[in-house]
Amino acid sequence: DTGVSQDPRHKITKRGQNVTFRCDPISEHNRLYWYRQTLGQGPEFLTYFQNEAQLEKSRLLSDRFSAERPKGSFSTLEIQRTEQGDSAMYLCASSDGRQNFYGYTFGSGTRLTVV
Amino acid sequence: AQTVTQSQPEMSVQEAETVTLSCTYDTSESDYYLFWYKQPPSRQMILVIRQEAYKQQNATENRFSVNFQKAAKSFSLKISDSQLGDAAMYFCAYRSGTASKLTFGTGTRLQVTL
Repeated sequence: DTGVSQDPRHKITKRGQNVTFRCDPISEHNRLYWYRQTLGQGPEFLTYFQNEAQLEKSRLLSDRFSAERPKGSFSTLEIQRTEQGDSAMYLCASSDGRQNFYGYTFGSGTRLTVV
Repeated sequence: AQTVTQSQPEMSVQEAETVTLSCTYDTSESDYYLFWYKQPPSRQMILVIRQEAYKQQNATENRFSVNFQKAAKSFSLKISDSQLGDAAMYFCAYRSGTASKLTFGTGTRLQVTL
C-alpha cells in the first residue's frame, strides 16, 4: 500500500469551468476526508465519508461542491463553476474508524489555481 | 465549536537546540484527542505526535514531546536536538472523542538554522 494518493497534483482552470479531483485512500481505511487549505492557513474540514456514506458536510461546502465515494473505495470531489476564491490546496485523508487515536493519513494534495 | 490557536506564526531554532511550539484550544468536552502534524514545503502532512485527553502522562516520540496541560487547555510541542529536516509548518489539531473531523490551528513555520 502506497498511502493516500491524490490526482492530479496540480490543476489550473479558467473561472467558470468544472473540475474534479480524485482520492485513493489506504485500502484498509473505512473513513475518507476532504479538507481545503489556503495559503498561510491550517486545513479546513469540508466533508467525510464512512464507507460510501457521506456523514458530515461543512458549511464551507457550497452547492457548487459535491463529493462522492462510490463503493466505499476512492472518492471524487467536484467543483462546478469555479471561482477565484476556490484556489487552494485540496487535501484528502483517510483513517480507520475503529482507531480514532491514530489520526489521519494525508495525501499530498491537489493544488487548484483558478484564473 | 472547538477552536485551536497557535499564536506563533514563525519560530526559529539553531541546529541541535531545543524549541517549543505553543498551542491552546477551547472545548467543553472531556473526551478528545490532540495531535501535532508536520507539513514540509510541498510535501504531505505527517503525524508527529498524539495525546489522549484522559491520559495525564505527556506523550513522547523520540526527539518530540508534548506538554499537555488539560486545565489550561494547552498542548505545546517540544523538539529537542533540532535537525535541518525539522524545518516545516507545524499544525496543532483537535479531535472530539465523539466526532471524526480534525480542527486545525493556523500553523507555526519552524526554521532551523546552522
